Amino acid sequence: ELKVEQNPLFLSMQEGKNYTIYCNYSTTSDRLYWYRQDPGKSLESLFVLLSNGAVKQEGRLMASLDTKARLSTLHITAAVHDLSATYFCAVDDKIIFGKGTRLHILP
Amino acid sequence: DTGVSQDPRHKITKRGQNVTFRCDPISEHNRLYWYRQTLGQGPEFLTYFQNEAQLEKSRLLSDRFSAERPKGSFSTLEIQRTEQGDSAMYLCASSLGVSSPLHFGNGTRLTVT
Repeated sequence: ELKVEQNPLFLSMQEGKNYTIYCNYSTTSDRLYWYRQDPGKSLESLFVLLSNGAVKQEGRLMASLDTKARLSTLHITAAVHDLSATYFCAVDDKIIFGKGTRLHILP
Repeated sequence: DTGVSQDPRHKITKRGQNVTFRCDPISEHNRLYWYRQTLGQGPEFLTYFQNEAQLEKSRLLSDRFSAERPKGSFSTLEIQRTEQGDSAMYLCASSLGVSSPLHFGNGTRLTVT
């Protein structure tokens, strides 16, 4: 059974700092997705990574995929308060989600 | 692109009753997914469709849950003999196909009393 693990599950950080969220998955997959969810809202797509070594960037967020290590990272550069949200990675055709990383950025 | 629409937004039901939710995906999207989400958790996969074909149903789901997508457009999710543990947000999402991002609806919040 496919398992998707994210860490950390909760992250509180200062504005202006950099940090990385990790997503490990248990079986072979060459498709990985990152989503954002704000409190009380539905999920919004951030990135779709489709091959080993894929890297995508949007603003202060950058996602990468290493299919051999079964690892994806979401890097936050110079965090701002507006990035406070829960971030989920998801894998596979069925699109199985991790538990999410709740990110709280302190002004 | 009118987005993914779910109906109703909220449903309160008594334990033992049956409920049915509807999802209208984005019109040209051939993949449709159902998830369940509880507070503080990630979306839990329930089932997904490619056009009208149901590709897989979660092994975690009991036989009380069933989903259909009869003409490859809208989908329904039915829960029979609801239990308090079924209380959750039920999310529907659609995509153009494999490797395309999911577009989520606003969900149906189910409360079983």
